[in-house]
Amino acid sequence: EAQVTQNPRYLITVTGKKLTVTCSQNMNHEYMSWYRQDPGLGLRQIYYSMNVEVTDKGDVPEGYKVSRKEKRNFPLILESPSPNQTSLYFCASSLGRGQLNEQFFGPGTRLTVL
Amino acid sequence: AQKVTQAQTEISVVEKEDVTLDCVYETRDTTYYLFWYKQPPSGELVFLIRRNSFDEQNEISGRYSWNFQKSTSSFNFTITASQVVDSAVYFCALSQQGDKIIFGKGTRLHILP
Repeated sequence: EAQVTQNPRYLITVTGKKLTVTCSQNMNHEYMSWYRQDPGLGLRQIYYSMNVEVTDKGDVPEGYKVSRKEKRNFPLILESPSPNQTSLYFCASSLGRGQLNEQFFGPGTRLTVL
Repeated sequence: AQKVTQAQTEISVVEKEDVTLDCVYETRDTTYYLFWYKQPPSGELVFLIRRNSFDEQNEISGRYSWNFQKSTSSFNFTITASQVVDSAVYFCALSQQGDKIIFGKGTRLHILP
């Protein structure tokens, strides 16, 4: 089944404790992206990647890191999480140029930072 | 500046009524794409439609229709004969050169039985 998977789905952590949220897609998509969803703010793009070893900042990259060493994986890294990073996170992928094509979203990861 | 505005934060209509969700965008690019996504109460995000900046034809898909007007920078979404299953948050999105994607804040639609 074609899908985008994220792990973990739920995470409660404490300020400053490094964490990684994994994202993997099995559709051979070039484009992958991370978003956070907050009440009243909609979806905001954190980082995106047009292909392996190519990443770019979205609108809200501060406090996050990403890497794209393999086409299928695009992990989101929070080196030192803070409470303002409590949010619902979505990973997405699309075929070819991200500009052009519909995105397939993962199920979301709900992160709470205490 | 690139921006997507969904001015309607929340809408409630009675089942079988028609409802239009507004989306207004701003961009300096001449080539861009507009999207609508649906987020039902279960939380997943589902693609509904894509429209490129050179195609102003309206689109109809069953009870759903979209009206794209470059003159007013709008890409509105209409649900005809709404049903309870249409209850969801709907997001309009703009993508442009460089593959950055901007979403609106979403419109929460309640269809009352």
